[in-house]
Amino acid sequence: DADVTQTPRNRITKTGKRIMLECSQTKGHDRMYWYRQDPGLGLRLIYYSFDVKDINKGEISDGYSVSRQAQAKFSLSLESAIPNQTALYFCATSDPGNYGYTFGSGTRLTVV
Amino acid sequence: AQKITQTQPGMFVQEKEAVTLDCTYDTSDPSYGLFWYKQPSSGEMIFLIYQGSYDQQNATEGRYSLNFQKARKSANLVISASQLGDSAMYFCAMRDGPHNAGNMLTFGGGTRLMVKP
Repeated sequence: DADVTQTPRNRITKTGKRIMLECSQTKGHDRMYWYRQDPGLGLRLIYYSFDVKDINKGEISDGYSVSRQAQAKFSLSLESAIPNQTALYFCATSDPGNYGYTFGSGTRLTVV
Repeated sequence: AQKITQTQPGMFVQEKEAVTLDCTYDTSDPSYGLFWYKQPSSGEMIFLIYQGSYDQQNATEGRYSLNFQKARKSANLVISASQLGDSAMYFCAMRDGPHNAGNMLTFGGGTRLMVKP
């Protein structure tokens, strides 16, 4: 099993629908992140969480919300999806004890 | 102000030749880390190499090396002996602060490398 698992891998949804992207990890890391990647561009930070009680907005949090259900689970929600939220979404974890960041395989979301 | 700048949107390199992908960064924190990731067409993010701001030597990992010029705030990736499988997007990223702060990564816009046979 992957260290960081994202579900679903691909999703097509309609404008206005609520959708949740899920991320779970087996690394035991406290710190988790959601990034968005638009075609041909770098990753931008949406939200991050340094522990289950600590959630922070990133660079582009408008239109998104998150939930840290447990140390291992960090979900990203689009309350009312819009087409410009079509992107590749990555979940990542990090361990302050070393420099490593672990990325999930990504969720490719299309809003039509 | 952009923290990470990759000025080469796309590059070609002949198979078996070396190629340098440019990255400049901006931070006022004396402690930081620089990363390079590879993203093949399948989409996953593959960690390649890391350089800490206090590291005395340039990082190397197999065919990858990082040309770290601290005064110029540049952290260029050098790929030696390019292979067809090196064709991908390459991202430079920076973590502000020491590694035990576990801060988030900031990414550059990426460089698409295409290796010609």
